[in-house]
Amino acid sequence: TQLLEQSPQFLSIQEGENLTVYCNSSSVFSSLQWYRQEPGEGPVLLVTVVTGGEVKKLKRLTFQFGDARKDSSLHITAAQPGDTGLYLCAGADTGNQFYFGTGTSLTVIP
Amino acid sequence: DAGVIQSPRHEVTEMGQEVTLRCKPISGHDYLFWYRQTMMRGLELLIYFNNNVPIDDSGMPEDRFSAKMPNASFSTLKIQPSEPRDSAVYFCASAYLSNQPQHFGDGTRLSIL
Repeated sequence: TQLLEQSPQFLSIQEGENLTVYCNSSSVFSSLQWYRQEPGEGPVLLVTVVTGGEVKKLKRLTFQFGDARKDSSLHITAAQPGDTGLYLCAGADTGNQFYFGTGTSLTVIP
Repeated sequence: DAGVIQSPRHEVTEMGQEVTLRCKPISGHDYLFWYRQTMMRGLELLIYFNNNVPIDDSGMPEDRFSAKMPNASFSTLKIQPSEPRDSAVYFCASAYLSNQPQHFGDGTRLSIL
């Protein structure tokens, strides 16, 4: 059973466009993290959100944790080729078990 | 600071051979995780350790897979005998706590012919 479902699975956009990636679950998470993975490397942490409704901004990236702490979104403004990669959400449940999402592969075309 | 170090980076071997993957976690991290990543199944947790003790190995696919952590600075994942369906990228990650951000190595790309 996959606890964290991400959508879309694949996304290919032109440089300069905006996009949103979703991470959904029926379970409640005490915290949720977003990672980016580039080819040939391991995932690297982008942000952690812990409070329902929390919004965090990292330059052109905006992360939001759902009010019920069951879902999250990542919005990228004016995407650049350097944003290309696999985006993974990951959540810690109330039992402190850690789960990774199914992943969204983003390609930004120059 | 040195990150998580994995070796080898690439391994190509024939079916039936024993494969050993190695990991050095970040010093001070009490948790160590082994993952397998494929296009079909994404990132799968195989096993994790707390203070060198295996806590959850429910993700280990078969008895052909085994993992050890003899001390706080070293872990191995062994496949014996290897099969073509074991081909994947294997990642090691470490963390201070089980619900804290994980730091990943660069992975071992394993190809079983």
